[in-house]
Amino acid sequence: GAVVSQHPSWVICKSGTSVKIECRSLDFQATTMFWYRQFPKQSLMLMATSNEGSKATYEQGVEKDKFLINHASLTLSTLTVTSAHPEDSSFYICSARDGGGDTEAFFGQGTRLTVV
Amino acid sequence: GQNIDQPTEMTATEGAIVQINCTYQTSGFNGLFWYQQHAGEAPTFLSYNVLDGLEEKGRFSSFLSRSKGYSYLLLKELQMKDSASYLCAVMDSNYQLIWGAGTKLIIKP
Repeated sequence: GAVVSQHPSWVICKSGTSVKIECRSLDFQATTMFWYRQFPKQSLMLMATSNEGSKATYEQGVEKDKFLINHASLTLSTLTVTSAHPEDSSFYICSARDGGGDTEAFFGQGTRLTVV
Repeated sequence: GQNIDQPTEMTATEGAIVQINCTYQTSGFNGLFWYQQHAGEAPTFLSYNVLDGLEEKGRFSSFLSRSKGYSYLLLKELQMKDSASYLCAVMDSNYQLIWGAGTKLIIKP
């Protein structure tokens, strides 16, 4: 299957700083990427959907200015958590899809963010 | 190495019950997830198990045996809309998700 690489796997940062998470499709061109957040023992929550070269579509309740998503190329999307706070500590996961219609989405390994 | 095994494809009849198995070998264990993915759509969360036993949610149930490295997803009263891929994923000791390849479930009337 297709490979999606997410980096870093885990990060600890100080409150007030920004953290960037990268999501790369290694062997296919990802026209669409999804960013999810998951709190412990809760469901995976879709944060936003991004299409290459256009602005991301954010789900209701997700702050666009706090969670900056950039999908500048067909193999890379980034999520930047700006001015992080302890409540932003969570597990973030991306998935990528090539083409549209019936193509599957493949997941990255996830990033565990801890804000102290 | 780390490995998640689940059947590639299964077929069942509308109204029946189907069990999708998942076996895993991972470095550590911090929970097992099941997701449903319809063609062309983002995966959606179905269940999370971290302790042994059965978790029931309506028509869907998930079972875990950590000593056996085994889980199953049980779907009852199958409906046509249940036709989808079902993904098993294990969170390892580094909190990374190890994904199975998915089981494509085909429901026939």
